[in-house]
Amino acid sequence: KQEVTQIPAALSVPEGENLVLNCSFTDSAIYNLQWFRQDPGKGLTSLLLIQSSQREQTSGRLNASLDKSSGRSTLYIAASQPGDSATYLCAAAYSGAGSYQLTFGKGTKLSVIP
Amino acid sequence: NAGVTQTPKFRVLKTGQSMTLLCAQDMNHEYMYWYRQDPGMGLRLIHYSVGEGTTAKGEVPDGYNVSRLKKQNFLLGLESAAPSQTSVYFCASSLVGQLETQYFGPGTRLLVL
Repeated sequence: KQEVTQIPAALSVPEGENLVLNCSFTDSAIYNLQWFRQDPGKGLTSLLLIQSSQREQTSGRLNASLDKSSGRSTLYIAASQPGDSATYLCAAAYSGAGSYQLTFGKGTKLSVIP
Repeated sequence: NAGVTQTPKFRVLKTGQSMTLLCAQDMNHEYMYWYRQDPGMGLRLIHYSVGEGTTAKGEVPDGYNVSRLKKQNFLLGLESAAPSQTSVYFCASSLVGQLETQYFGPGTRLLVL
């Protein structure tokens, strides 16, 4: 069964710092890897989706990489801002029980201190 | 364009009571999903639908039923609520497949006493 792990569970950084969030998965036979943002009391917002054939995706200050062979993905946030404070979740899409499913990590709670 | 909406936002039930959670999307998406999110655990898929009139079980379907009578709506039912069903429930949708970006609703917080 696919397992997705995110370390650290929480991270606090001063404003302006560049930072990296980590995501690891046990089964390398994934179809894509997705990163989401969740604000307190809110739903998830999709940030980036990396297909299994891709190495990275970029959107603004965000850059996500994927290394299937090592079972790892990273989300790089450049020049962090207080508005980036949220919980970031990664999810691996894989084939199981006749359909495709997302397996989510537990998330990394990011606090950016002004 | 409201995206994905969920009704109600918060509900308290007593053990054994029933209720229905409503999810609506206005993006003409084919696929819809129900997840639950519990502290210390990742989101887990309860049921999903690949189109109007069709539903399928996810990872944790026991104790729940679903219906997709209209393309834009996906209902999640609890016939006899249990304290273990206390959770935050999220609905999501995607255009034509499970490998695409999913768009999430704001969630329904359910407390079963």
